[in-house]
Amino acid sequence: EIVLTQSPGTLSLSPGERATLSCRASQSVSSSYLAWYQQKPGQAPRLLIYGASSRATGIPDRFSGSGSGTDFTLTISRLEPEDFAVYYCQQYGSSSRTFGQGTKVEIK
Amino acid sequence: EVQLVESGGVVVQPGGSLRLSCAASGFTFDDYTMHWVRQAPGKGLEWVSLISWDGGSTYYADSVKGRFTISRDNSKNSLYLQMNSLRTEDTALYYCAKDEIDGDLGLYYGMDVWGQGTTVTVSS
Repeated sequence: EIVLTQSPGTLSLSPGERATLSCRASQSVSSSYLAWYQQKPGQAPRLLIYGASSRATGIPDRFSGSGSGTDFTLTISRLEPEDFAVYYCQQYGSSSRTFGQGTKVEIK
Repeated sequence: EVQLVESGGVVVQPGGSLRLSCAASGFTFDDYTMHWVRQAPGKGLEWVSLISWDGGSTYYADSVKGRFTISRDNSKNSLYLQMNSLRTEDTALYYCAKDEIDGDLGLYYGMDVWGQGTTVTVSS
């Protein structure tokens, strides 16, 4: 079973700054099978990125994903007030799905 | 409007049983694999179970295997989760979600539709 480890646990930044979130897999993952989600308090998760780098419908272009193999990154180029939330990476498996433990992006 | 609406969450005693439901609308339900994902209070997301479009394949997280059963009724556009032998650690907000993979392209499109969740509390 593939384990996804996200870092850091918490990222303290100011609006307008760049956020870089990491997701590391315990074994190689096809980049086509990696997704990212945003979750705000009291809300369901929202799909941001699929296929490691493709933005989901309606997602602003300040969100970008990259990576391959075991190392993947979600970048928010300039944080807006509505971007402060928890972010999860997730991988597809033929008989399961796996989430990372999440990274909280908080206002500094 | 594409929508998933969960129901059935209640307070139940340890060892008890419960069935969650998820009503789908706004998309062709029987085209998609469906999932249950849970979130314990203050914790992250945990995938629980999936069922293929036709109900022919089901899979479970180790934490619920042998206790939970996922099913669907495509004629009713509904997904279910039968939860038996409940434990305090099953206390969580339970979401249903759909995802999609293009097998020809080998591209996973992610879980693009989620419900708002239903709360299960296991407590004596």
